[in-house]
Amino acid sequence: NAGVMQNPRHLVRRRGQEARLRCSPVKGHSHVYWYRQLPEEGLKFMVYLQKENIIDESGMPKERFSAEFPKEGPSILRIQQVVRGDSAAYFCASSPIGGFGANVLTFGAGSRLTVL
Amino acid sequence: KNEVEQSPQNLTAQEGEFITINCSYSVGISALHWLQQHPGGGIVSLFMLSSGKKKHGRLIATINIQEKHSSLHITASHPRDSAVYICAVRSGETSGSRLTFGEGTQLTVNP
Repeated sequence: NAGVMQNPRHLVRRRGQEARLRCSPVKGHSHVYWYRQLPEEGLKFMVYLQKENIIDESGMPKERFSAEFPKEGPSILRIQQVVRGDSAAYFCASSPIGGFGANVLTFGAGSRLTVL
Repeated sequence: KNEVEQSPQNLTAQEGEFITINCSYSVGISALHWLQQHPGGGIVSLFMLSSGKKKHGRLIATINIQEKHSSLHITASHPRDSAVYICAVRSGETSGSRLTFGEGTQLTVNP
């Protein structure tokens, strides 16, 4: 009965490369949330997805960032042409239902991206 | 001004002390979460509150909707309680899916 699994736990990229972060939700959870924690800052909401749908991406930077949650497989947060300011911890959480009912949240251990 | 304010930012206590961490928010909410982030970075959801009080072991969380304030209490604190405690609100004025987080309170409990 695994929790939310994120990988890789640590990722190092050079400026201009692409970063892909994966999140497998708790079995049976169909709602996934991505959050970013910049160094010395609090967590910030990025995007909320259901299977094959982006529900709320109001926290995503307008460029270079995208997210998906396909019918099969994990949710992917993709950062193209990374810059040093993308260095952060990226957390995924899942819940069995979403919206105002999403009060049961299980977090992953996070993926720490370092951009050189 | 942040929508969610926590105090104190840092707290050092001796083992056995009673700990209180406060959270004030400025928006209408449907729920408030208390989270614990361990030194290794992992996040654990401690409580979800929409009213009243909840207790789990040595942890107690209260919320006053009228005053827009919540507190997290730790009784008989222990060094293993050392972590960052984060308050997060689910606002009724925005999408029900997103949480707005406080900056966190760094708690250190010394033996």
